[in-house]
Amino acid sequence: ILNVEQSPQSLHVQEGDSTNFTCSFPSSNFYALHWYRWETAKSPEALFVMTLNGDEKKKGRISATLNTKEGYSYLYIKGSQPEDSATYLCAFRSNDYKLSFGAGTTVTVRA
Amino acid sequence: AAGVIQSPRHLIKEKRETATLKCYPIPRHDTVYWYQQGPGQDPQFLISFYEKMQSDKGSIPDRFSAQQFSDYHSELNMSSLELGDSALYFCASSLGRLGETQYFGPGTRLLVL
Repeated sequence: ILNVEQSPQSLHVQEGDSTNFTCSFPSSNFYALHWYRWETAKSPEALFVMTLNGDEKKKGRISATLNTKEGYSYLYIKGSQPEDSATYLCAFRSNDYKLSFGAGTTVTVRA
Repeated sequence: AAGVIQSPRHLIKEKRETATLKCYPIPRHDTVYWYQQGPGQDPQFLISFYEKMQSDKGSIPDRFSAQQFSDYHSELNMSSLELGDSALYFCASSLGRLGETQYFGPGTRLLVL
């Protein structure tokens, strides 16, 4: 099992504010980096698959960047809304196809 | 749009019993993944199948086995259940086995008493 770390573990954001958090993963044997959103009592929802160093992906107010050389990805939420409250999971796929999840960052948006 | 279907949604078993969890992937998806998430833990990858063949093996106990059938649905068979097997078991499907987006089912919550 590979070491995938997410920080912070949790954060509280005021509605309308923007925020970001980090996923760190091994910088060697990189194949892909996945981001998922997981709302309570629902199954994880795929947000992004990132494969190239320097990748930037965007979906609505959520975007992500990837740095494979230093082994990190940032997820940004612009203008947070209550419906953004969820746990955001990243998962690292190495080039031997193993998939390892981080523990998640739980975002709570306060109205 | 059709999603990944898992059955049953909830299951209660006693120690040493067996359980079978089923996963029906999104139509045309050829790859199925199984994950286990214990209380307060990260999801752990168990096993995956591509085109009905095992493609990847994670931390699946020897007491568990799985297969993918000709219609691409998959079953996770769990024998000699232990209390520690109580967890949420997710199935995910994708088109292709390498780096593609996985779509998760709602999960089966297994409680072993």
